[in-house]
Amino acid sequence: AQSVTQPDIHITVSEGASLELRCNYSYGATPYLFWYVQSPGQGLQLLLKYFSGDTLVQGIKGFEAEFKRSQSSFNLRKPSVHWSDAAEYFCAVGDDYKLSFGAGTTVTVRA
Amino acid sequence: SAVISQKPSRDICQRGTSLTIQCQVDSQVTMMFWYRQQPGQSLTLIATANQGSEATYESGFVIDKFPISRPNLTFSTLTVSNLSPEDSSIYLCSVEGTGGSGTEAFFGQGTRLTVV
Repeated sequence: AQSVTQPDIHITVSEGASLELRCNYSYGATPYLFWYVQSPGQGLQLLLKYFSGDTLVQGIKGFEAEFKRSQSSFNLRKPSVHWSDAAEYFCAVGDDYKLSFGAGTTVTVRA
Repeated sequence: SAVISQKPSRDICQRGTSLTIQCQVDSQVTMMFWYRQQPGQSLTLIATANQGSEATYESGFVIDKFPISRPNLTFSTLTVSNLSPEDSSIYLCSVEGTGGSGTEAFFGQGTRLTVV
């Protein structure tokens, strides 16, 4: 069965600092991996996805993620966070459009 | 991409009643999915709805509690029946990616249900 673990429930980061959100997955085959962001009162927005090929994936809003098969990880990074990046971030794994989500990481940005 | 419209965006319902949530997509899609996001929790898949067949429910979810309709390729409804406070959640509709975007799930804005 597929599963996703996001070890960090809550991260606080200063505006302008770098951000890294961890994601580990368990999946029987080559996974499709996703990062979604959910801002307060908003729906889910896809930041980026990995299917195959280059293991460093660029997404929207300046985010990137790196797929590491040996570590079963798909960590999300941003070099310099903005106050608008405060949100909840979900890592997901799946295929056929059915997704299993991690518990989410809440990001707080301080001035 | 796909544009998904969910109605209502939020509702407050009395326990014992039912709420039907509508999901409209701007293009034809084969599969539609319904997720539940309980307060402070992640998303959990309730069921997969294919046009022309009965919905497929995930473990822990049953048709009597969460009946789903899928009358055509652009529309689906999820009903949450016999409401209890534990049903207070955000319910989200999701569809497969279109337009050559490959495997990607698009989500509606969600329906925030509060049961009192």
